[in-house]
Amino acid sequence: GAVVSQHPSWVICKSGTSVKIECRSLDFQATTMFWYRQFPKQSLMLMATSNEGSKATYEQGVEKDKFLINHASLTLSTLTVTSAHPEDSSFYICSVRGNAVDTQYFGPGTRLTVL
Amino acid sequence: AQSVAQPEDQVNVAEGNPLTVKCTYSVSGNPYLFWYVQYPNRGLQFLLKYITGDNLVKGSYGFEAEFNKSQTSFHLKKPSALVSDSALYFCAVRDGSAGNMLTFGGGTRLMVKP
Repeated sequence: GAVVSQHPSWVICKSGTSVKIECRSLDFQATTMFWYRQFPKQSLMLMATSNEGSKATYEQGVEKDKFLINHASLTLSTLTVTSAHPEDSSFYICSVRGNAVDTQYFGPGTRLTVL
Repeated sequence: AQSVAQPEDQVNVAEGNPLTVKCTYSVSGNPYLFWYVQYPNRGLQFLLKYITGDNLVKGSYGFEAEFNKSQTSFHLKKPSALVSDSALYFCAVRDGSAGNMLTFGGGTRLMVKP
């Protein structure tokens, strides 16, 4: 399967600052990338879907101006949490999928803690 | 709309015994079904999938799952559990006829005791 990395793996920031999370597909051309968030002891909630070179499609209830997604290439997507607040603290996981591939592969996740 | 149900929040099994983690799904078109495992503070690891073909699918680490169309189920099984299998397991479905979205179940925590 595809190897997906995320950076950073853990970030702590002050309220009001912006945080950028990178997701890289190391050996796989990811035509579609997904961003999920996961609260403790809960399932994954899809935040947005992005296709390379296009604007992301956000799920209902997800603020696109707060969670900026850039799918710049077939191997890189970034999620920027702008003006972070403590309620944004969560585990953020990216996922990739190719055109001819049915399976989604997931990154190791990034734990964001906003103080 | 598509949905996945994992009726058990937690499954406890003794090491060496067989295990089953249940999953039922609902989807309009053709179901693409997946099982993932998550270890603490980690992302999801792909275990196995059913797209088409044989109803019994074999995956990583000795796990298998059986697609049952009439019961709309895709239960995960392993003949002999290991303590290292203890983790959080997610079932997921995608409509193979249309759409991008993978919908996850709520997850089942598997505890294997020595």
